[in-house]
Formats: sequence, structure tokens, C-alpha cells
Amino acid sequence: DGGITQSPKYLFRKEGQNVTLSCEQNLNHDAMYWYRQDPGQGLRLIYYSQIVNDFQKGDIAEGYSVSREKKESFPLTVTSAQKNPTAFYLCASTERGEQYFGPGTRLTVT
Amino acid sequence: SQQGEEDPQALSIQEGENATMNCSYKTSINNLQWYRQNSGRGLVHLILIRSNEREKHSGRLRVTLDTSKKSSSLLITASRAADTASYFCATGYSGNTPLVFGKGTRLSVIA
Repeated sequence: DGGITQSPKYLFRKEGQNVTLSCEQNLNHDAMYWYRQDPGQGLRLIYYSQIVNDFQKGDIAEGYSVSREKKESFPLTVTSAQKNPTAFYLCASTERGEQYFGPGTRLTVT
Repeated sequence: SQQGEEDPQALSIQEGENATMNCSYKTSINNLQWYRQNSGRGLVHLILIRSNEREKHSGRLRVTLDTSKKSSSLLITASRAADTASYFCATGYSGNTPLVFGKGTRLSVIA
């Protein structure tokens, strides 16, 4: 899992609550990414940031928000507007085109 | 949008056999990468092959790339039970443009 940490590993929330997933890296990488993975599926890009204080929407940004105030940190907020938030969330950073992934956070919303 | 499409979706082999997974894509790429994911974990980068390369080796892994057919294959030789995982291809572009991942091949190696 390299120098990327995600916390917590498991997260449970009630429907209607916002929740923030943490992603921290000590690899000094400029670019960071958030993906969502559903059972038996590939990765779908939620948001990405190529530099501090800048980020772009990915393919499925609706219902999510991010911030990039520090190079090391790229937190993801799953808002109550996300219709189906239960999923496995993966954070990654990039160097020379290769992505380094964190261990993931499994979010369950009931 | 998912560009890489792996084939087969699932593969079950005996320990010691070779495993071959294929990936097809649709548009021009800068590179193609293969990743491995153990159940419930993050992805681990295995190998990157650039668009001007045709074959690359890393230990028991062999990757080929045919840009004319827009396809790649990952061969794992002499498979072990520990190779059991999902394998994803991802197409890469210039700069930090996000990778596009396929849905993966689930490999089961039976001891």
C-alpha cells in the first residue's frame, strides 16, 4: 500500500449523514485520485487533483466533494445527495504515470 | 468511462499452470498498466508497458502490447496459490491524465 494511508478501514453511517474519508500520502506526489469500486466491478473515478488547491470532477462526481489544501491530504466527503453511497473507496497518488493506492475504506450506509 | 476490457472475467487454474489474461481498449494510449488487487485491499502496480514497446517481463510476469489491435495480454507463468487475486488493466495517457481501469479478471489458483 506504499506511503498512502486511508482511514478508517470500515465506516458505518446512517442515511442522510455526510461522511468524510481521509487520504494522506507521504510520497511527495502532486496528483491524487479518488475511486469508487462496487462488488465485482472496476474502478470509477470520482475526483482528482493534480496540484494543491485545484481539483477536477471525474466520471461520477455527483454527491461527492473534495478539498486539496495540503499536498499530503485529499479528503473525500460523501454527501447525503449521493444516492447509493455504500461502496469501497480507494485513494491513489501518481508518480511517472504509475498509481500507488491506499488500502481503501469500506463505507456502509444504512 | 471504462476503456479497458479484460477477458476472461474469471479464470480458475491449477497451481503450476500458466494464466493468461487479455485486455482490449478503444483509443490511442501512451501506456498500458496492469494492477493486482487482493480481496478487500488496494491495488498494487505490477507492470507498465509504453505504446512503443511490444513486450515486457518482470519475474513470472510477461506483458505484451499490440497497438494495431489495441490489445494487451498478461501472462503469469508457473502460477501459485498466492497469485489468486483480481487483475486490472488500465490505459494511460500523457501527463497526469487519469488512468482508465477495466472491470478486471478474477484469477483463482487452486493448490
